[in-house]
Amino acid sequence: EPEVTQTPSHQVTQMGQEVILRCVPISNHLYFYWYRQILGQKVEFLVSFYNNEISEKSEIFDDQFSVERPDGSNFTLKIRSTKLEDSAMYFCASLRGPNYGYTFGSGTRLTVV
Amino acid sequence: AQSVTQPDIHITVSEGASLELRCNYSYGATPYLFWYVQSPGQGLQLLLKYFSGDTLVQGIKGFEAEFKRSQSSFNLRKPSVHWSDAAEYFCAASNFGNEKLTFGTGTRLTIIP
Repeated sequence: EPEVTQTPSHQVTQMGQEVILRCVPISNHLYFYWYRQILGQKVEFLVSFYNNEISEKSEIFDDQFSVERPDGSNFTLKIRSTKLEDSAMYFCASLRGPNYGYTFGSGTRLTVV
Repeated sequence: AQSVTQPDIHITVSEGASLELRCNYSYGATPYLFWYVQSPGQGLQLLLKYFSGDTLVQGIKGFEAEFKRSQSSFNLRKPSVHWSDAAEYFCAASNFGNEKLTFGTGTRLTIIP
């Protein structure tokens, strides 16, 4: 069964550093998303991406965040200058179309120290 | 504001017993509804989804869910749980099939022998 692949599975970074979280969505999917889950809290929407542009973003997704689909296969989330409160599990998801369910990756646990 | 509520933070069930996990939603119109399961250290796996039609939805791993418009609920059920069902269960909703998901806070399921 096709999977959404996320790398790395765990990343530790120093506060103020830039991080790039990588995702390879399922090849025939058209919609792409990032969510995050702070430890002990609910899964929160960050951003959705369709047709090579952001279709919606949450209040969390401020100027420190950006997304790219640089080569038609990868989908990246960049945090420009990490803060302690960015520590969370970040999930990538992709969707073939509106009548299908989302497929989530296994997540990247980001720890900011 | 749109929201999804899972009233039970933690449920403990004996192996072989039946299970019901509660989910209520608050949306202007009937949303698209989903149940996801998350095993420790794993991503979110789609159990089942409801878009329209038959209000009793069958999913993977022997799970089913029933949509009740009058109660704004989408409860997850399983007739007989297995030890491998121990995990965190998330109910989620969206306005349309490709819009952002709003998640509940999750219900942690513990199975005792």
